[in-house]
Amino acid sequence: DAGVTQSPTHLIKTRGQQVTLRCSPKSGHDTVSWYQQALGQGPQFIFQYYEEEERQRGNFPDRFSGHQFPNYSSELNVNALLLGDSALYLCASSSREYGYTFGSGTRLTVV
Amino acid sequence: DAKTTQPPSMDCAEGRAANLPCNHSTISGNEYVYWYRQIHSQGPQYIIHGLKNNETNEMASLIITEDRKSSTLILPHATLRDTAVYYCIVGRGSNYKLTFGKGTLLTVNP
Repeated sequence: DAGVTQSPTHLIKTRGQQVTLRCSPKSGHDTVSWYQQALGQGPQFIFQYYEEEERQRGNFPDRFSGHQFPNYSSELNVNALLLGDSALYLCASSSREYGYTFGSGTRLTVV
Repeated sequence: DAKTTQPPSMDCAEGRAANLPCNHSTISGNEYVYWYRQIHSQGPQYIIHGLKNNETNEMASLIITEDRKSSTLILPHATLRDTAVYYCIVGRGSNYKLTFGKGTLLTVNP
């Protein structure tokens, strides 16, 4: 049973550019959450999607946006990249019956 | 969400039990205690969770005090592969956001 799949695994972008990260949830999970993890810190909650709508949101600017598709997969978009956006971006899927399963993340480097 | 307090680091000898403490004195009655761990460069991995009663699974045991203000995660026979950052999180349910702190870096030594 495939777990949570994230792509790409690594990415290098230039300041001011836009980036899209992708996530396929674990089979049977209908909810997708995104987290940002800076070096040496715990993951910080960005937002959560359920039934193709944003259900919860953390303290992140509007430059961070997302989308969930009918097959429950999700995208995280970040506009106008800043150096401080360099981090590991984690996707986690869940459902009411099951707890969170995290992907291995996308390592984003902004130069 | 209630905040948690964990020691920044702990050491344990291989084969011995690792006991990781967590304080969550402001926990609400409907909040669960979750434990996740993160091995370097991987996503967090679910270990165990509980509400009031002690819990045990194939990975670990969770001991929650009667007043629910603190808990202990027990890895009964630590191995080198258990070296990781362990996060204690208090949350409202399996679909609610998780608020991570900095966790405890557990180093298992040979």
